[in-house]
Amino acid sequence: DGGITQSPKYLFRKEGQNVTLSCEQNLNHDAMYWYRQDPGQGLRLIYYSQIVNDFQKGDIAEGYSVSREKKESFPLTVTSAQKNPTAFYLCASKRTGNSNQPQHFGDGTRLSIL
Amino acid sequence: QKEVEQNSGPLSVPEGAIASLNCTYSDRGSQSFFWYRQYSGKSPELIMFIYSNGDKEDGRFTAQLNKASQYVSLLIRDSQPSDSATYLCAVNFNTGGFKTIFGAGTRLFVKA
Repeated sequence: DGGITQSPKYLFRKEGQNVTLSCEQNLNHDAMYWYRQDPGQGLRLIYYSQIVNDFQKGDIAEGYSVSREKKESFPLTVTSAQKNPTAFYLCASKRTGNSNQPQHFGDGTRLSIL
Repeated sequence: QKEVEQNSGPLSVPEGAIASLNCTYSDRGSQSFFWYRQYSGKSPELIMFIYSNGDKEDGRFTAQLNKASQYVSLLIRDSQPSDSATYLCAVNFNTGGFKTIFGAGTRLFVKA
């Protein structure tokens, strides 16, 4: 079945540690996105990529980094510079960035500080 | 500033009633509109999308778009307790590409 796989489901970060969240899709979508959701709040865009080897900062990119070396994969690293990383992280994709089509989401990764 | 606004709720309706969820958006040029359902602790799931003025129906769900007034609505007929969730409205703003802005969501409770 086609879909978006995020791993791990739960992740704990120690102070000063970088952690990487995985996002893989087999939908053959060009565009991929990372969002952060805090309790009771909407989705905030961290980074997005419309094509392999290219990505852009979203609204809250500070303290995060990404790469897009393969079409299928868009990992997100939460660096030690992100002082408040506790949140629900959602990866999404859609066929192309310049389209009217909807985004589809993975199951999410819940990150907490130890 | 591109904005999508929703009443946070909670909206409480009895089982079998019609639930009406509303969303307003700031950009008159927006062309595509989406409704997602998000259960507590889960990721958003696309349930409806609409591109043109008027209504779109899918089972118990109807999406209504009024471009002149810049609002989009989701009606849920014969509401069930399993419909209890947060409903996110999303709008594609045409910024040279398409940037999707999500509303903060409306919590819906359907009482059995």
